[in-house]
Amino acid sequence: SQQGEEDPQALSIQEGENATMNCSYKTSINNLQWYRQNSGRGLVHLILIRSNEREKHSGRLRVTLDTSKKSSSLLITASRAADTASYFCATGDTGRRALTFGSGTRLQVQP
Amino acid sequence: EAQVTQNPRYLITVTGKKLTVTCSQNMNHEYMSWYRQDPGLGLRQIYYSMNVEVTDKGDVPEGYKVSRKEKRNFPLILESPSPNQTSLYFCASSSGQGTSGNTIYFGEGSWLTVV
Repeated sequence: SQQGEEDPQALSIQEGENATMNCSYKTSINNLQWYRQNSGRGLVHLILIRSNEREKHSGRLRVTLDTSKKSSSLLITASRAADTASYFCATGDTGRRALTFGSGTRLQVQP
Repeated sequence: EAQVTQNPRYLITVTGKKLTVTCSQNMNHEYMSWYRQDPGLGLRQIYYSMNVEVTDKGDVPEGYKVSRKEKRNFPLILESPSPNQTSLYFCASSSGQGTSGNTIYFGEGSWLTVV
């Protein structure tokens, strides 16, 4: 069953703009991770936020986590054409021995 | 270089012809898993392994087998492939279960078409 659901499913912006993607989940988690996938390639880990954290930064990435709303957001600032990819949230909960991935947001950054 | 290597990358096969997709990691990770990715469904876990000789079913194990005889290898076996197993497959590994916050490393994917 799918735990994380990303929103929007697709997003198209101009280079230099900010991109925001949201992820909602259903059960209690102990961490949430964001991954990036270039078309047809393997997923690459971007950032992890633990359930006791509210915000985390890594370069141009900013992730927030609201456990009361069971949601997270990924913000990419000053986007570049090279940021074009699909972005997935993945949740880890103690009841399962695996991360559960959402269906992803496809981001298109127009040069 | 830390790597998860899977082969073949592309394969077209016929219904019922047994095939194996190999996966190898060079990071001495205990945890390995297989996912399939289908449009609109995200990644779904097929099988995982916590360590050598320890394997367990994921969310969609039907039609698949795995083995973990060595720490670095985790092959995915399709004994009798069917067209609904046409998909993009990913092998992954991590130093922990992933649920505790360990980064998961993915292979580049294997495109499998069953006709």
